[in-house]
Amino acid sequence: EDQVTQSPEALRLQEGESSSLNCSYTVSGLRGLFWYRQDPGKGPEFLFTLYSAGEEKEKERLKATLTKKESFLHITAPKPEDSATYLCAVQAFNDYKLSFGAGTTVTVRA
Amino acid sequence: DVKVTQSSRYLVKRTGEKVFLECVQDMDHENMFWYRQDPGLGLRLIYFSYDVKMKEKGDIPEGYSVSREKKERFSLILESASTNQTSMYLCASSHSLPEAFFGQGTRLTVV
Repeated sequence: EDQVTQSPEALRLQEGESSSLNCSYTVSGLRGLFWYRQDPGKGPEFLFTLYSAGEEKEKERLKATLTKKESFLHITAPKPEDSATYLCAVQAFNDYKLSFGAGTTVTVRA
Repeated sequence: DVKVTQSSRYLVKRTGEKVFLECVQDMDHENMFWYRQDPGLGLRLIYFSYDVKMKEKGDIPEGYSVSREKKERFSLILESASTNQTSMYLCASSHSLPEAFFGQGTRLTVV
């Protein structure tokens, strides 16, 4: 069974204080690893897909990286508007569904 | 932009009621999904559909059923609502690419 574990559960940052979120996974043949952002009371918003170890994707202050066992979401010089819950999910080959971690809630203080 | 629209943002229903949650996507996606999201548990898959009239059980299908009569519409049905079905329900759709796009969610409260 696919398993996704995110850490930490919560992260409080000062504006400009860079940090990283971790997503550890086990899956029988990784088709893709996904990062989503979710604001309170809203549905998840797609950020990145990573397909193979060594791959990196960037979007504004966010950078996602992938190894064979885990992914990191690096937040560089965060701003208050980066406050959200970040979700990691994996999809196996020959499977339609995504398996999600419980998320990391990031709070950035001005 | 992909648009996935859920019919209600908030619903309050009584125990034992039959509840319908509707989801419509406008991008001709083959795959559609229903998840529920609870604090500390993350998103859990209830049902998904990979084609019209086709459905597969997810991880927690008990107490739920689904209907997909048209490609763009995927309905989740709570046959007899119970208080432990109080949750945030999220619909998603995807094409051949694996990225799934989500609706805004329906927060259901069963009293």
